[in-house]
Amino acid sequence: GQQVMQIPQYQHVQEGEDFTTYCNSSTTLSNIQWYKQRPGGHPVFLIQLVKSGEVKKQKRLTFQFGEAKKNSSLHITATQTTDVGTYFCAGGGSYIPTFGRGTSLIVHP
Amino acid sequence: EAQVTQNPRYLITVTGKKLTVTCSQNMNHEYMSWYRQDPGLGLRQIYYSMNVEVTDKGDVPEGYKVSRKEKRNFPLILESPSPNQTSLYFCASALSYNEQFFGPGTRLTVL
Repeated sequence: GQQVMQIPQYQHVQEGEDFTTYCNSSTTLSNIQWYKQRPGGHPVFLIQLVKSGEVKKQKRLTFQFGEAKKNSSLHITATQTTDVGTYFCAGGGSYIPTFGRGTSLIVHP
Repeated sequence: EAQVTQNPRYLITVTGKKLTVTCSQNMNHEYMSWYRQDPGLGLRQIYYSMNVEVTDKGDVPEGYKVSRKEKRNFPLILESPSPNQTSLYFCASALSYNEQFFGPGTRLTVL
């Protein structure tokens, strides 16, 4: 079945440093979604990418969808303590999205 | 306010005692699903439903049942809970292939 691998599992950064998490699929994805889960909270939708090579920005967050639609990345510029949490990608082509295991971001002030 | 609600939020029970976790959404979403979240394993889908009376297995359905008699409700049933079902459970709903809205989660402990 479809597998979505996400790396790294954890990332420690100093506040102000950049952060990137990567998502790779064994199969071509029709779309990819990104979610953020704060400690003790529930996943919250950030964005959906659909087109090959698509790049979208939300303030300090940049999302990319690979040309082959098999990989994606989330980059945060100049992290802040409010960025702490676990970031999940979810790839799908149906009603059965496959979630990556997430990358937990720890920001040290 | 658009939301997904789950009850109970916390539950401690014993092996074999049937339980139901309720999930309700007020957004008229067709699609609903249940996930379990375990440390290091991310979110794994248990069951999903594309509409009333239409349900299907996700990645980890063993030991669980669901029903979708009304569009807004999607209860998760554990007929004979076991300790390996101790986990954090999330219900989610969505409109077609769009963003999923997650409930606040139910932390279940089976002793």
